Parts: sequence; structure tokens; C-alpha cells
Amino acid sequence: QKEVEQDPGPLSVPEGAIVSLNCTYSNSAFQYFMWYRQYSRKGPELLMYTYSSGNKEDGRFTAQVDKSSKYISLFIRDSQPSDSATYLCAMSGENYGGSQGNLIFGKGTKLSVKP
Amino acid sequence: DAGITQSPRHKVTETGTPVTLRCHQTENHRYMYWYRQDPGHGLRLIHYSYGVKDTDKGEVSDGYSVSRSKTEDFLLTLESATSSQTSVYFCAISEGRGMANEKLFFGSGTQLSVL
Repeated sequence: QKEVEQDPGPLSVPEGAIVSLNCTYSNSAFQYFMWYRQYSRKGPELLMYTYSSGNKEDGRFTAQVDKSSKYISLFIRDSQPSDSATYLCAMSGENYGGSQGNLIFGKGTKLSVKP
Repeated sequence: DAGITQSPRHKVTETGTPVTLRCHQTENHRYMYWYRQDPGHGLRLIHYSYGVKDTDKGEVSDGYSVSRSKTEDFLLTLESATSSQTSVYFCAISEGRGMANEKLFFGSGTQLSVL
């Protein structure tokens, strides 16, 4: 079993839809959970950052972490064509690469939002 | 891209030749990283640095070496390039302060092709 599993998609939705992106993980040592957005031919850009369990909201984006289920989600409300990108989940923990920035990344989900 | 410049942006080289990729930052961040991104594998850590002349190995360090003689510069060297090192290489930085160290900021990447 891979440490971090993420459905590669592609995922295609109409403009205005609610998008749900997910990752599962196996290592209970993970404490820091991130979502990165990567446009084509660009570097990943930090979108959301969460420590431990719970929800975090930033504009149209909501990140959820359920450590009991080892499951994290990113929701995008009122999706726009400019949200079309690959979304990468990433995680680490103090006893697993933490403090050295050794993030474990999912392989990314490619999202396309159609006008 | 958060004050990070990678050079060159594209490189084509032949098997067996040495290659050096450069990362330059203007953020004065303590930590710098080299990742590679490949289809089917996602982002994987090659080496990282936690200060001038302080470096350590990541998940996929074989065949790579790094050097950091100044805070702002981090070099990645392929001593004798192989076709398996064809990839997109990303430099990243982080502040190096506790939980903030989990927030990585990436450069735009170097596309390396080894023929």
C-alpha cells in the first residue's frame, strides 16, 4: 500500500460546480496536511495548510482532515475555469520528515473546469 | 514563484555527461530542497539543505550530489547523467522555523532530458 493515495483523475466539472478532491494515507505519524495547486509547466503553489484534524476555510476553498479515517479532502465551491490545474496533497509529521520539509506527496488529481 | 529562480529552465544532455542545476532564492530562507517530479511517482525529495554547507539525503539521492556555499544558492549535480534522470526538477524553500518549515514554496522547475 502506498503511503499516500490520490485518484489521478482527470476530473471534469462544469463552471460553478462544487469540487471534492481527496487523499488517503496509511501513516498515523502524519500531522501536517497540505494542498498544492500546480498549473501546467509551473511549480506547485501552496493552497491550504492544516495541522492535525479539523477544517480550514479560505475563500472558496475548504480543507478537511479526518485523522481517525486517515482521509483528507479539499472542497472548491463555485469552481472557475481558472481552477483548472493539478491538485497535489502532501503531508508530513514530526517523526516522519517533519522539520526537514520532507513532504510525502500524492500523485495529484488533474481538474478541468469547463465554462 | 516566491523569489526562487531555477536555471536553466530546459536542458538536453547526453548520457554520461555531468549536469549542474542551480537554484537561487531572494527570501533568505534557511531550508532549500531539490525534488524531482515524474509521471506515476509524483514529487520525490532528492536532497535538502538546512544551512550553508549543511545538507542531507532525501528519498531518491542516488546519482545526485548537492552543494550550498551561500544561503541563497543551492546546486544539484548529476555527476554522470543517465536516462532515468530525465525528469522535471523543482527547487523549494522553507523558513526553517517549527511548523512554518512544513510550508514549502517551489520554483518553476527545470525540464531535464538525458538522451
